[in-house]
Amino acid sequence: NAGVMQNPRHLVRRRGQEARLRCSPMKGHSHVYWYRQLPEEGLKFMVYLQKENIIDESGMPKERFSAEFPKEGPSILRIQQVVRGDSAAYFCASSPEPLNEKLFFGSGTQLSVL
Amino acid sequence: QQQVKQSPQSLIVQKGGISIINCAYENTAFDYFPWYQQFPGKGPALLIAIRPDVSEKKEGRFTISFNKSAKQFSLHIMDSQPGDSATYFCAASKGGNTGKLIFGQGTTLQVKP
Repeated sequence: NAGVMQNPRHLVRRRGQEARLRCSPMKGHSHVYWYRQLPEEGLKFMVYLQKENIIDESGMPKERFSAEFPKEGPSILRIQQVVRGDSAAYFCASSPEPLNEKLFFGSGTQLSVL
Repeated sequence: QQQVKQSPQSLIVQKGGISIINCAYENTAFDYFPWYQQFPGKGPALLIAIRPDVSEKKEGRFTISFNKSAKQFSLHIMDSQPGDSATYFCAASKGGNTGKLIFGQGTTLQVKP
């Protein structure tokens, strides 16, 4: 049973470009969470999605950031017009349902903005 | 009030020793307190978790101690091994959603052989 798969592992973008980060949850998991980790800091919650629905986006910056989890395919975190401050590790986690303590994280995408 | 404060920032322990990492929180609505272990280049992995209705939980060499009145909880790693060298994060959540976590700042543990 494959774990949470994130790609790409490393993504380099120039300022003003778009970044698309993908996350395929574990088989049977329909709940996806995105977190951002800045250097030397803990992870910060960004958004919680179920299939086709954004449940909680209280941690998402108001501009340039969006997320989706379509009926088919991976969850996508999209960052438009990236700036240097967006450079961070972005982690996706999945669970079978929100009350389940079995939250599994992917290995993350390291975004570097030049 | 949403913060979880973790200390120390880094910790060096000899092999066989006890590693102790502490966390404090303010929000009394928090009802789930996990600890995560993260190796370089990997995502965090759940190590052990506790609910506020118990004061201690032990799994193998890992123990969580929970003090509800002081709003503090700690991770104890007994008989620390070099393979335990990693970054440890405490976290908290509320309202039953164990996926929406507030993380501490992390503790980098080095266990010397």
